[in-house]
Order: sequence, then structure tokens, then C-alpha cells
Amino acid sequence: DGGITQSPKYLFRKEGQNVTLSCEQNLNHDAMYWYRQDPGQGLRLIYYSQIVNDFQKGDIAEGYSVSREKKESFPLTVTSAQKNPTAFYLCASSIRGQGTYNEQFFGPGTRLTVL
Amino acid sequence: GDSVTQMEGPVTLSEEAFLTINCTYTATGYPSLFWYVQYPGEGLQLLLKATKADDKGSNKGFEATYRKETTSFHLEKGSVQVSDSAVYFCALSDQGYGNNRLAFGKGNQVVVIP
Repeated sequence: DGGITQSPKYLFRKEGQNVTLSCEQNLNHDAMYWYRQDPGQGLRLIYYSQIVNDFQKGDIAEGYSVSREKKESFPLTVTSAQKNPTAFYLCASSIRGQGTYNEQFFGPGTRLTVL
Repeated sequence: GDSVTQMEGPVTLSEEAFLTINCTYTATGYPSLFWYVQYPGEGLQLLLKATKADDKGSNKGFEATYRKETTSFHLEKGSVQVSDSAVYFCALSDQGYGNNRLAFGKGNQVVVIP
């Protein structure tokens, strides 16, 4: 079955540590996205990538980094510079947008807790 | 910039009641509008969409009509079930940016009581 997988489902981190969240898709989508979800805040875009080896900052990129070395993978690193990293992180993918909207498909999410 | 505003607070209602969740938007171009649903512990799923003014999106008994004159896209369902308990997000995509980005509202928790 085609879809998006995120791992791990739950992640615990000590303050001052970097941590990498995995996102893999087998939908053959060019575009991938990372969102952060906080209670009562909706989803906010962290980074997005429309093609391999290219990515752009979203609305809240500070304290995060990404790479896009392969079409199917878009890992997100939460660095120690992120002041409040405890949140639910969602990855999504879509056909690359060119004039018409293409549906974004979401993974199940990773809940990160900083201890 | 583009933005989406949803009505404040959770929505609690009894089974078979009528559900309305309000959504209004601000956009510079001609956006497409969406409702996404998130069941507990899961990612988001597209519930319905509308790509131009006066379009009606519908799915699983839910409906929403794209109203350009009132910049609104309210979600309705005539008779809710316990299984409709979830968080509902209104979102827009303005293709003027050409990058498929979505702007989300804050979401509304819906709780349906048997």
C-alpha cells in the first residue's frame, strides 16, 4: 500500500540534544512538507521541498533543519536552538503544485516531548 | 498574508444533532478551500474541497459551499454520529504562490455524545 510513514510515533529528548524525525513516502510525490501542531494553534509550516536537493523555509523554520537527498525521504532535525520543541510533528507529501492545487497526504505524526 | 479563521472553542453535541463549524478566510488571489479531519492520535485526512466560488464540496454526509461574497466555507452535517468525533481544520491554498502551500485554521474539536 502506498502511503507516508513517520517514525518513531513517540520521541523523548533531553534539553540540549538534537533529534531527527523520519518521514518516508512511497507515493512517488515530488513535494514534501513538515508541519508542527500545538494545542489550539492549528498546523504551522516548518519547511517544504518541491524537488530533490531543494527546500524552502516555512513560517517557523528557526531551530529546525531538513535535507532532501532522496525523493522518498525528508527528515527533520529539531536542534537545541529550538526553544520550545515539545509538539506533534506531521509530515505530508503531494504532487508538485503547478497552477492547480494538489492534495497533500499526511503521515500519522510523531509526538516529541522534551524532558 | 493568507489566513483562515475558525470559530473559537470545542463543539459538543448529541448524536443525530446538526453540526455547523464556521470558517472564514483572507486571501489575495483565488484560493482553493478545504476541510481536513484528524481522528485521535492520527494524521490529517482530506474531508472535502472546493476550488472556485459557489462550488459545494461533499463527503461522508458533510458539506461546505465556497462563498466568495462572504469569504466563507462553513462545514455542515445534518445528523452527526459518535464516530464523527474528531478535530476539524479549515485550510486554503492560494495557487498564486505556485507552491502548493496550505494555510490552516486553528481547528475545532468536535465531541459527539451518544
